[in-house]
Amino acid sequence: EPEVTQTPSHQVTQMGQEVILRCVPISNHLYFYWYRQILGQKVEFLVSFYNNEISEKSEIFDDQFSVERPDGSNFTLKIRSTKLEDSAMYFCASSGLSGRRYNEQFFGPGTRLTVL
Amino acid sequence: AQRVTQPEKLLSVFKGAPVELKCNYSYSGSPELFWYVQYSRQRLQLLLRHISRESIKGFTADLNKGETSFHLKKPFAQEEDSAMYYCALYGHGSGNTGKLIFGQGTTLQVKP
Repeated sequence: EPEVTQTPSHQVTQMGQEVILRCVPISNHLYFYWYRQILGQKVEFLVSFYNNEISEKSEIFDDQFSVERPDGSNFTLKIRSTKLEDSAMYFCASSGLSGRRYNEQFFGPGTRLTVL
Repeated sequence: AQRVTQPEKLLSVFKGAPVELKCNYSYSGSPELFWYVQYSRQRLQLLLRHISRESIKGFTADLNKGETSFHLKKPFAQEEDSAMYYCALYGHGSGNTGKLIFGQGTTLQVKP
């Protein structure tokens, strides 16, 4: 069964450094998402992406964040200058052909980002 | 405001006991609700969605608009049900893109 994959599983970085988190969504999906979960807190929506542009973003998704689908298979989240509070588990998700509200979102295993 | 509340961080029951994981929501309009489950060292996966009115692994959830609740129930818990359970709401956005709003999650621990 196809799955969403994410790399790396764990990323450690210094404050102020740029990081790129990578995701490969399920191949025939058209809607892509990033969520994050700070330790002990709820899973929070960051951004959704469709047709090569951002569809919606949350207040968390400020100018330090960007997303890209560079080659038709990867979906990346870049944090330009990491802060300590960016430490979290980042989940990528994709959903199917129509993005209808009740279409299932398939989640990746997550990337744990630790900012020192 | 669009919000999901799961009041219990941890629910511990014995095998064979009934389980009810509570979820309340705040949403203006017709909500669409889901339960996601995360087993140990595994990814988040959809357990069930209210629109399907299905029973998965013996779990059911009924949307109660009067009480704004979507509690997850199972009559007889099994040890393999031990996991983290998240209630989620499809949120309004600037497009029909399926943003999910999650509750805090409840850890279900089923003891032998």
